[in-house]
Amino acid sequence: QSVLTQPPSVSGAPGQRVTISCTGSRSNIGAGYDVDWYQQLPGTAPKLLIYENNNRPSGVPDRFSGSKSGTSASLAITGLQAEDEADYYCQSYDSSLSGSVFGGGTKLTVL
Amino acid sequence: QVQLVQSGAEVKKPGASVKVSCKASGYTFTNYYMHWVRQAPGQGLEWMGVINPSGGSTNYAQKFQGRVTMTRDTSTSTVYMELSSLGSEDTAVYYCARPTDRGAFDIWGQGTMVTVSS
Repeated sequence: QSVLTQPPSVSGAPGQRVTISCTGSRSNIGAGYDVDWYQQLPGTAPKLLIYENNNRPSGVPDRFSGSKSGTSASLAITGLQAEDEADYYCQSYDSSLSGSVFGGGTKLTVL
Repeated sequence: QVQLVQSGAEVKKPGASVKVSCKASGYTFTNYYMHWVRQAPGQGLEWMGVINPSGGSTNYAQKFQGRVTMTRDTSTSTVYMELSSLGSEDTAVYYCARPTDRGAFDIWGQGTMVTVSS
């Protein structure tokens, strides 16, 4: 299984708010390493959504936000839209593994 | 614009090796590390390793050590990822990804499908 733990799936109706959790340990998120989030639409490469825990790249709507506390991080999406339906991945660095690690991914379904 | 263009799909037999290329453009090639990430069908993202195009130093994920080799050609701004002793479990899309200064992967290649089948 993945070093970072995410729920396999979340869902919400259009306009609603959803959150996706990413749980790590003292060797990655808990050690203070940044968490980044990616959105992956079917058949495409991942796209950077949130970097350095809570920053949005240019062009990413402010409906997307990130936070980090202790050994966990969260991605929040407000005002859900149909085009948000995708897979979402968190990523950090792990000092025990001396490399980057990903969460297992969360499939967001917009009802 | 900044762009990473990868080589085309490959079909390999079990036990063979595959070499995937990633050509960078739109920025100074030696100023940014390059990572490789793979994704098996229906599965999540898996980090494979990273290369420093400036000096060629590498750091591989423990899972792939001894089986993966990452190299670069500064004359063509291209990085390569070679994976040997292929098995069916290596069937996946392989991505190169360029990180920001703090490590987030902001630029991705289009992906290269590698199929391992007898």
